[in-house]
Amino acid sequence: DTGVSQNPRHKITKRGQNVTFRCDPISEHNRLYWYRQTLGQGPEFLTYFQNEAQLEKSRLLSDRFSAERPKGSFSTLEIQRTEQGDSAMYLCASSPRTGTYEQYFGPGTRLTVT
Amino acid sequence: AQSVTQPDIHITVSEGASLELRCNYSYGATPYLFWYVQSPGQGLQLLLKYFSGDTLVQGIKGFEAEFKRSQSSFNLRKPSVHWSDAAEYFCAVGFSGGYNKLIFGAGTRLAVHP
Repeated sequence: DTGVSQNPRHKITKRGQNVTFRCDPISEHNRLYWYRQTLGQGPEFLTYFQNEAQLEKSRLLSDRFSAERPKGSFSTLEIQRTEQGDSAMYLCASSPRTGTYEQYFGPGTRLTVT
Repeated sequence: AQSVTQPDIHITVSEGASLELRCNYSYGATPYLFWYVQSPGQGLQLLLKYFSGDTLVQGIKGFEAEFKRSQSSFNLRKPSVHWSDAAEYFCAVGFSGGYNKLIFGAGTRLAVHP
């Protein structure tokens, strides 16, 4: 068990460009979450997958954001036409199929939009 | 609406002193409660969790927390703080009917003086 991994760890992009982040959850976990954390704040929920189905999306997830989990394993989060307000840490978490619901977080991808 | 409040933004303690970090939540039923710790530039590590049963829960690194239903609180404690405990601490609430997405507090930054 290597934990949740995220790539890249850091991304610097210019305003208007598209970016894509990847999350690999713990292998036996079927639940996957994306959160966004801005400086000085706690993480905020963005979206949730159970297997390959996206079951919940936050109002924070504007039309420029899209997330996928095509085979119920890894997930990608894409931001189109990035804005400076998108600068944040994007965190991925996974949770086991049954039982205790705790979420295990990856190291995050820090996005800076210039 | 569900919410989590961590009243203390910054706390400074001396090494060896005891610690208590406060957390209050707003929710109509008994939630799932968590404490996470985040070191600079890192993801979140689960310290402990409460789902049901004994209201005093033990976690990793010598931390414990007590659920008090009457006060809607879940305060984190440690009897003797080590310099390596300096980090940011987040209280989070999960809801059984909401796909277990977590609502986080804004965090408490802990500094430890030698």
